[in-house]
Amino acid sequence: DTAVSQTPKYLVTQMGNDKSIKCEQNLGHDTMYWYKQDSKKFLKIMFSYNNKELIINETVPNRFSPKSPDKAHLNLHINSLELGDSAVYFCASSLSKIAGGEDEQYFGPGTRLTVT
Amino acid sequence: KNQVEQSPQSLIILEGKNCTLQCNYTVSPFSNLRWYKQDTGRGPVSLTIMTFSENTKSNGRYTATLDADTKQSSLHITASQLSDSASYICVVSAGLRGSYIPTFGRGTSLIVHP
Repeated sequence: DTAVSQTPKYLVTQMGNDKSIKCEQNLGHDTMYWYKQDSKKFLKIMFSYNNKELIINETVPNRFSPKSPDKAHLNLHINSLELGDSAVYFCASSLSKIAGGEDEQYFGPGTRLTVT
Repeated sequence: KNQVEQSPQSLIILEGKNCTLQCNYTVSPFSNLRWYKQDTGRGPVSLTIMTFSENTKSNGRYTATLDADTKQSSLHITASQLSDSASYICVVSAGLRGSYIPTFGRGTSLIVHP
């Protein structure tokens, strides 16, 4: 009965590779998010989708491409991985159609990406 | 530039004691302020959410305050427990372009000792 799930939990890959992280929520929420947490534990929003539509895109390199096949899924594809992409990536969801509004956001467990 | 500053950076207290964490922000236009608890190796969990018109909100032993005039918030933890050991993150959202863009603080690392 996991609310927000992500796969994989750990991902180790080499520079230049392309990888994807998957996220699914079973809460019936309309809005989903991707966040990046760097090595200093600093969180930053990357994207937000509402019902498959991109709402927030915060100065993220275009090597990162979110894809939302339906409102319960938001995947993150990363091309040409760089060392600086190493971080923990969190998926989250909220009920409201307004991204980042007053609704509670539920976070997934995170995917630790290590680029060597 | 929108910024959120938290203090202290880290805090060690004894079990059963109270503590207060601080958050100062320069975010405009202000929409809402959240406090999250993040255990090591896990995703953040929401503790409180406050809008401009709210100046206090409680969630069990956690009480958040907001002073929109001075742009300060605090999170007070009462009768601390070992399970309170975690990072506490203040997040302030600005209402922009039809959505709300969050700015995160760097968190306060709290350690509760028996």
